[in-house]
Order: sequence, then structure tokens, then C-alpha cells
Amino acid sequence: QVQLVQSGAEVKKPGSSVKVSCKASGITYTYYAISWVRQAPGQGLEWMGGIMPGFGTPKYPQNVQGRVTITADESTRTAYMELSSLTSEDTAVYYCARELPTGSPFPFDFWGQGTLVTVSS
Amino acid sequence: QSVLTQPPSVAGAPGQRVTISCTGTSTNIGADYDVHWYQQLPGTVPKLLIYGNSNRPSGVPDRFSGSKSGTSASLAITGLQAEDEADYYCQSYDSSLSMYVFGGGTKVTVL
Repeated sequence: QVQLVQSGAEVKKPGSSVKVSCKASGITYTYYAISWVRQAPGQGLEWMGGIMPGFGTPKYPQNVQGRVTITADESTRTAYMELSSLTSEDTAVYYCARELPTGSPFPFDFWGQGTLVTVSS
Repeated sequence: QSVLTQPPSVAGAPGQRVTISCTGTSTNIGADYDVHWYQQLPGTVPKLLIYGNSNRPSGVPDRFSGSKSGTSASLAITGLQAEDEADYYCQSYDSSLSMYVFGGGTKVTVL
């Protein structure tokens, strides 16, 4: 079955960077886009960007463009999300999610287990 | 401030019907983009509940239904059950922002 397994929790200092991984199994990796969504404590969901492995360039929302970098390694079926210049407002659970290619926009039908990133001095 | 507007909370007794609205604008829902709904049970990962405005993934009970009209969408839960207590989020796409957008979430409480 489809599984997205993310890397473990991270604690980072303000101003530093974090890189979270998301390894896929049970899917034809290059056929599905992967998005990243974050959720700050007690808050809602926020899209951080996405990538179609093997195709085209990543897409990012304007509010994080320049700070977020999403990449994908087809050989290991792993997607990565790197966020730089961290502040306390970046403390959140970060999820990767598979985009189901139906309709517009694509819904997120499978999610990783989430990675807690804590930014603290 | 979320691009899509949802009520912060709704409540209902077991067996009742509740609805959650998701209001957008002409650059997202009103631009004929699909609306999807997610359920997030306490302490868990979001789960796709409704996609393409009104379609249920396999395994989602038919107590959950979705609709869309104009610049708004709705999620209805009929025969409310205790296990439905969760946060619910709508999602679409905004063409002026060029990004996926979510509603702020609605907490459903079963009285």
C-alpha cells in the first residue's frame, strides 16, 4: 500500500535551516506530485509548495518563496523540503502528501506521519 | 487570515445533521476550482474526506457529503456520531496567489 515515511523531529536555532525528508513506497513515484503542508501548534493547514519528481520545477507560495527549497531524488523515491532563515513562527508539524491526479487542483490523498520542527534559542 | 473562510466551530447532538461552510472568492472557488475536504481527528494526520466537491474516497461513510455553488462549498455530516468530533478543513486553489489554499478549519463538537 502507499506509504510516505518522514524523517524524525528536529530542534533548530533561529536563523538556521532544516531539511525534512519523505520516502515513498507503494506508488509509481514519478507519476505523482508531492506537496508539503505545515501546521503550527493549534493552527490550520498551510501549503508550503510541491514538486513532480522527474518533471519540471517545484512550485512555491509567495509567502515562503526564497526560504523554501523542495527537491526529489527519483533513485531513492525521496522528496525533501528545506526551510532556511528559521524563526519561532516556523515551529510546526510539516507533512508531505501525495497529490491524486484528478480534478483541479489535485487533492492530497496520502499523507506522511508528520515531522515536528521546533525553532528555539 | 485564511483565504477560504470557515466557521470556527459547529456543534450537534448525536444523530443530527450539521453543515460546514467554506466561502471563497472569484479567484478560487468562484473560478471553478474544485473544493476538497479533510478530516483531522485529534492528534492525527489529516485525512481526505471529500474530493472534487462531492466525491468520497473509498472507505468514507456516505454520512459525509459535499456540495459547491458559486463562491462557496459545504460539507454536510448526517447522523452525527461521537467519532466525528474532529477538525475539518476545506481546500482549493487561488489563481491570483498561484497556490493551494485552505480554510482556517472548523471544529465539530458532538454534544
